[in-house]
Amino acid sequence: GNSVTQMEGPVTLSEEAFLTINCTYTATGYPSLFWYVQYPGEGLQLLLKATKADDKGSNKGFEATYRKETTSFHLEKGSVQVSDSAVYFCALAPHNAGGTSYGKLTFGQGTILTVHP
Amino acid sequence: ETGVTQSPTHLIKTRGQQVTLRCSSQSGHNTVSWYQQALGQGPQFIFQYYREEENGRGNFPPRFSGLQFPNYSSELNVNALELDDSALYLCASSSPGTGTGEKLFFGSGTQLSVL
Repeated sequence: GNSVTQMEGPVTLSEEAFLTINCTYTATGYPSLFWYVQYPGEGLQLLLKATKADDKGSNKGFEATYRKETTSFHLEKGSVQVSDSAVYFCALAPHNAGGTSYGKLTFGQGTILTVHP
Repeated sequence: ETGVTQSPTHLIKTRGQQVTLRCSSQSGHNTVSWYQQALGQGPQFIFQYYREEENGRGNFPPRFSGLQFPNYSSELNVNALELDDSALYLCASSSPGTGTGEKLFFGSGTQLSVL
């Protein structure tokens, strides 16, 4: 079956530090890959996505590249801010010609990021 | 903030009881997916409803069941509650085939405690 593995957390950084959160996956076919974020007291929100190999998703200064050869989708940001403190989830959706597959996500266990001033 | 609302926000039940959780999807969204999130874990896919029919199910037993209504709101029912059912239950709506089709909009969840 499909699975997603994230780096063990939590991660604690100082403001303006470089961030990497590792994510690897196991899936059949060609899944779509996502990063979701959960800010304190809020629901899950889509941060970025990539739907095919070598695609780069980006949003709010975060980036992740779909690497099929290494089955990875690592999240990076060059300079984190205190407001980036949240829980980050890597996820995949099975390959499906229709759009409903995006609702059938397999999530990683989440990585807690804390950024200090 | 999304337009997905869940009720109740918190619930306490005892083992063996039954529970119904509700989800009102974002306006115009015809697909609802339900997830279970145990403490410190990522959400796990329970099932999805698309136009009032079940459209895929995760690795959950039959005592987890659901409904979707003509207005696309949805219910999650859990029978014979077990202690391990204690978790945050999330619903997410989407609208495949439209401009936002690939984007899930999550509610804030219902926190279920089974004693």
